[in-house]
Amino acid sequence: DTEVTQTPKHLVMGMTNKKSLKCEQHMGHRAMYWYKQKAKKPPELMFVYSYEKLSINESVPSRFSPECPNSSLLNLHLHALQPEDSALYLCASSQGGQGNYGYTFGSGTRLTVV
Amino acid sequence: AQKITQTQPGMFVQEKEAVTLDCTYDTSDPSYGLFWYKQPSSGEMIFLIYQGSYDQQNATEGRYSLNFQKARKSANLVISASQLGDSAMYFCAMREAPHQAGTALIFGKGTTLSVSS
Repeated sequence: DTEVTQTPKHLVMGMTNKKSLKCEQHMGHRAMYWYKQKAKKPPELMFVYSYEKLSINESVPSRFSPECPNSSLLNLHLHALQPEDSALYLCASSQGGQGNYGYTFGSGTRLTVV
Repeated sequence: AQKITQTQPGMFVQEKEAVTLDCTYDTSDPSYGLFWYKQPSSGEMIFLIYQGSYDQQNATEGRYSLNFQKARKSANLVISASQLGDSAMYFCAMREAPHQAGTALIFGKGTTLSVSS
């Protein structure tokens, strides 16, 4: 099993809704990441979990709340989002060591806030 | 300060021609990894090629090769024999201290490649 699975693939939500994005990997990777990507822009790092502890929070608004229940699962809880939060949300996982083999992306969740 | 610089917002190439996408980087860490990703309109981030800072040889993967010039801090991607399916956004990215599990990948702004017949 060499992949990162993100669900849902598409999500439309209102500004008063609460929803969650899910990311799962079974490669034994000990770090997981959330990135936000706007159209025609590079992915921007949001959060890093290393060994199930939040190690980096890139000054993300509190309406985004990450959670790492175990080493295989990473959630992103969404509440009171704004239309400008509409974007592609990418999850990734990695293991330490040289080489690319340890950095794997999911296929992303396309979020639209209406 | 920007750590990864891609100076070409857009590139145009004819089918079957070679194309070079530029990337320069900035780091003081002696251990780092450089990556190139392709992102079609579907949004999937497709890994193309990797170069480690200690690798002596330039990386190659099929039609992709990486022209690594460490002293100049450049890591240009060369695509030989372009195909229509190569049309996409291409990102250069760097990971400092890759031996640590939680070091994040940082991306350049990307280059949009358009291949015509």
